Amino acid sequence: GAVVSQHPSWVICKSGTSVKIECRSLDFQATTMFWYRQFPKQSLMLMATSNEGSKATYEQGVEKDKFLINHASLTLSTLTVTSAHPEDSSFYICSAQPSGGELFFGEGSRLTVL
Amino acid sequence: GQQVMQIPQYQHVQEGEDFTTYCNSSTTLSNIQWYKQRPGGHPVFLIQLVKSGEVKKQKRLTFQFGEAKKNSSLHITATQTTDVGTYFCAGQDDMRFGAGTRLTVKP
Repeated sequence: GAVVSQHPSWVICKSGTSVKIECRSLDFQATTMFWYRQFPKQSLMLMATSNEGSKATYEQGVEKDKFLINHASLTLSTLTVTSAHPEDSSFYICSAQPSGGELFFGEGSRLTVL
Repeated sequence: GQQVMQIPQYQHVQEGEDFTTYCNSSTTLSNIQWYKQRPGGHPVFLIQLVKSGEVKKQKRLTFQFGEAKKNSSLHITATQTTDVGTYFCAGQDDMRFGAGTRLTVKP
């Protein structure tokens, strides 16, 4: 199946700093990627839909200035958590649909903000 | 927008017992997908159901899509410890996931 790679897997940062998470489709082109956030033992919450070459579509309640999404190429989308605070600590995971069917997920990035 | 409800939230079974999780949507779905997430892992696609009343099987797993295309179920026969994980449904219309059912299996 298709491969989606996410980096970094783990990141620890100080409060107030910004963190960038990368999501790459390794063997296919993805015009659309999805970013989710998952708290422990909870479901995947869709944060935004990343669109190549255009602005991301954010879900209600998700601050676009807080969670910056850039989809500059057909194989890379990035999520930047700006001015991170401890409440931003979570598991962030991206996904893509190679052919409009099933979602392929990245391995996820666990962010801890001290 | 579409809301997908999933029950139960947790299910603990003895190995060999059956398990079922249910997914209900407030709106008609064009199709529904099921995913499994092992502890510490990322969701992995299991199956997609498209047709009204569709039933699909994968070994011990049976997936059903309701006639009205608003509900779906996943049934596991004779659970094994390898079935442990959280099972999610998602409507492909907007890629929102249900709350998931966390399955634990006692050997």
